[in-house]
Amino acid sequence: GALVYQYPRRTICKSGTSMRMECQAVGFQATSVAWYRQSPQKTFELIALSTVNSAIKYEQNFTQEKFPISHPNLSFSSMTVLNAYLEDRGLYLCGAKGLGAETLYFGSGTRLTVL
Amino acid sequence: TQTVSQSDAHVTVFEGDSVELRCNYSYGGSIYLSWYIQHHGRGLQFLLKYYSGNPVVQGVNGFEAEFSKSDSSFHLRKASVHWSDSAVYFCAAKNNYAQGLTFGLGTRVSVFP
Repeated sequence: GALVYQYPRRTICKSGTSMRMECQAVGFQATSVAWYRQSPQKTFELIALSTVNSAIKYEQNFTQEKFPISHPNLSFSSMTVLNAYLEDRGLYLCGAKGLGAETLYFGSGTRLTVL
Repeated sequence: TQTVSQSDAHVTVFEGDSVELRCNYSYGGSIYLSWYIQHHGRGLQFLLKYYSGNPVVQGVNGFEAEFSKSDSSFHLRKASVHWSDSAVYFCAAKNNYAQGLTFGLGTRVSVFP
């Protein structure tokens, strides 16, 4: 079956520092990877959609300068939160899907706490 | 603006009861709809989806959902809930013009023994 592993599960960083999270697809080819954030008491916001061999498309309010994403192959993607501040805390989820598919399979998330 | 609305923030049921979680969307054109479950502190687990065909779709663990174009709805149902069904349920939608899924605010389901 389609599985998505995401790590780390939890991370704590000091305000102004950066942290990187990784996402690995197993059992299918992750042609597209979507990164979401769930802030406290909120729903999931799409940060960006990355498709192999295409430009990464960021949603409004999210930029490459703040959330650089790497998607080098069909099984791996990473995202970094640069200069994290309190408003960046939350649960970050990667969701991956195969070519032509619409169903996103999500990892377990990376919970970011900013001190 | 394309939106996904889940009218119930919290639903409380007893084990063995049936449950229906409501989801309405405001998209035009062809639409892809799905439901996910989030257990406490965890990521999202895919339950089921609809894109075309039979408007009633079956998912994992006895869940089903029914698409209604006239009502712009995709309500999730389960005939007999188990305590392990306690979680937050998210409805999500996407049309051909959107990049990614848009999620509703979620409905928390609490199942009591």
